[in-house]
Amino acid sequence: DTGVSQDPRHKITKRGQNVTFRCDPISEHNRLYWYRQTLGQGPEFLTYFQNEAQLEKSRLLSDRFSAERPKGSFSTLEIQRTEQGDSAMYLCASSLGGRGTEAFFGQGTRLTVV
Amino acid sequence: AQSVSQHNHHVILSEAASLELGCNYSYGGTVNLFWYVQYPGQHLQLLLKYFSGDPLVKGIKGFEAEFIKSKFSFNLRKPSVQWSDTAEYFCAVISNNAGNMLTFGGGTRLMVKP
Repeated sequence: DTGVSQDPRHKITKRGQNVTFRCDPISEHNRLYWYRQTLGQGPEFLTYFQNEAQLEKSRLLSDRFSAERPKGSFSTLEIQRTEQGDSAMYLCASSLGGRGTEAFFGQGTRLTVV
Repeated sequence: AQSVSQHNHHVILSEAASLELGCNYSYGGTVNLFWYVQYPGQHLQLLLKYFSGDPLVKGIKGFEAEFIKSKFSFNLRKPSVQWSDTAEYFCAVISNNAGNMLTFGGGTRLMVKP
């Protein structure tokens, strides 16, 4: 158990549908990251939060992607109008914040768009 | 462009062989460096990290890495690998010149033959 929880673990959706993933970080962690990982590639940075503030969102893959972290606790990642190219593993990580602190990863949500 | 490069995509070794995986980054400024490992079917977990001080850092399971600032490198080493080291290894960087985001290389898949 890593302490970072992601839900669901797997999601199969039809093209054009909206999906939302949830991440619960380790409770005292104020920084939260979202990544996408495709087969054979390293995690690709999407966005991150410092408490409830989204500090970087320019790497979100398109305007169909959005993320929130209300109250600085859990976070959600939404993909609207899904496309087959969105099929990937979506990873969440959290850390205490600051450059030098270790990020702890969840198990990820595997999205398959059919 | 700022990036993290891992030169070896696939490495196959026999047990007891020595391991060195390359990692180079192109960020300027102050960097913090990490190696993460992903065993089959498991989440990413930290092997070791460099923040400051001694450029030779030791991690879990007998792994070590050396930060060579002049070469922008942070190579991972292990003197004698075991079958249980079969996994994918990711180098990651946080730079104050790049928004303090944790950015990963493409990964190296290591297979250790028994």
